[in-house]
Amino acid sequence: ILNVEQSPQSLHVQEGDSTNFTCSFPSSNFYALHWYRWETAKSPEALFVMTLNGDEKKKGRISATLNTKEGYSYLYIKGSQPEDSATYLCALVSDAGKSTFGDGTTLTVKP
Amino acid sequence: GAVVSQHPSRVICKSGTSVKIECRSLDFQATTMFWYRQFPKQSLMLMATSNEGSKATYEQGVEKDKFLINHASLTLSTLTVTSAHPEDSSFYICSAPGTGINQPQHFGDGTRLSIL
Repeated sequence: ILNVEQSPQSLHVQEGDSTNFTCSFPSSNFYALHWYRWETAKSPEALFVMTLNGDEKKKGRISATLNTKEGYSYLYIKGSQPEDSATYLCALVSDAGKSTFGDGTTLTVKP
Repeated sequence: GAVVSQHPSRVICKSGTSVKIECRSLDFQATTMFWYRQFPKQSLMLMATSNEGSKATYEQGVEKDKFLINHASLTLSTLTVTSAHPEDSSFYICSAPGTGINQPQHFGDGTRLSIL
């Protein structure tokens, strides 16, 4: 059983703050990692696909990095806005296409 | 982009009832779909993989007779919770894999099942 851990479990920040959270996973046999953004009452939406050690991906104010050797990925949000409030999930993907999800980090951005 | 529709979004029913949840791919064909279950404050746990034209593949510990999965066509997979009991109350969500093994999944909106 793969152990994918996300920290912190929840985070409360003020509008304009920058923040980051972590996804940790077993470093052996890495294939791919996905980040999703899950807003309440909506379906999870893919943010990033991370495949190579050292990958850095960016979408607007959100970016992610990947270290497969030490088994972690960071998600950064610069200048958080209330609309960034959501649960952010990471999923470790096997070469068979199965995903193992972390518990998520729930971000609340206060105006 | 690819859209997956899941229905119903919420079900409240009496113990002993069987409940069917549908998952449709709206603008693409999905030979495989995933069914997940989520307990409060926990991660999405893969229950089974449905395969069009063949039997579903269940994860360890998931009761096949309790959670019947049918992948009737290239656009429809269904999960039936048979003779549901309060301990089956949970959030169930389906997804279809993206094109290519590195691509992210396309999720439905999920179904909140409450068994009284």
